[in-house]
Amino acid sequence: KAGVTQTPRYLIKTRGQQVTLSCSPISGHRSVSWYQQTPGQGLQFLFEYFSETQRNKGNFPGRFSGRQFSNSRSEMNVSTLELGDSALYLCASSYLVGQETQYFGPGTRLLVL
Amino acid sequence: AQSVTQLDSHVSVSEGTPVLLRCNYSSSYSPSLFWYVQHPNKGLQLLLKYTSAATLVKGINGFEAEFKKSETSFHLTKPSAHMSDAAEYFCVVSEAGGTSYGKLTFGQGTILTVHP
Repeated sequence: KAGVTQTPRYLIKTRGQQVTLSCSPISGHRSVSWYQQTPGQGLQFLFEYFSETQRNKGNFPGRFSGRQFSNSRSEMNVSTLELGDSALYLCASSYLVGQETQYFGPGTRLLVL
Repeated sequence: AQSVTQLDSHVSVSEGTPVLLRCNYSSSYSPSLFWYVQHPNKGLQLLLKYTSAATLVKGINGFEAEFKKSETSFHLTKPSAHMSDAAEYFCVVSEAGGTSYGKLTFGQGTILTVHP
């Protein structure tokens, strides 16, 4: 089976712009979660989607949003980018919600200038 | 609420010597516990997972971890380090219920350096 794929892999934006990141889960997986990784804060949970519904959300401002499509693919959007949004954004998929093992993609590295 | 503490930010070993990466957790519900590894500029790879079936869990590449409920610990070990083990390791907890259900909480990571 193909693994979790994320596009684009690298992205450079300027402050104030918005960005959309995409994640395709492992075939058959219905849950997609997003995480932000920074040197200072480590890995932090953004949100989790299952069957096109957001089931859980981390402590991030409303500028961070996401959605999931009927084929389980997911996108996350960050509006009005700030320098502090520079990070590696990781997507993970699992078959169900809960304590299922989550499989991670390679990540999208976002640099905000 | 759930939390994870990795007791060492850096561990340095010589090739061929044992590896011990320490992790303590806190959870209000029966937790699942994971160890993931991240090589430079790569995503996270699952090493092993504990889900209450057995307290000693064997993972890939010779790694194993022991769940000790009384000590709330889940330490990762390997008998003999290899150069390719050099990476960052994350201890992760997932709760069976509550507001954290379905959410992974990560430790701060332990960077493992392996010397020839």
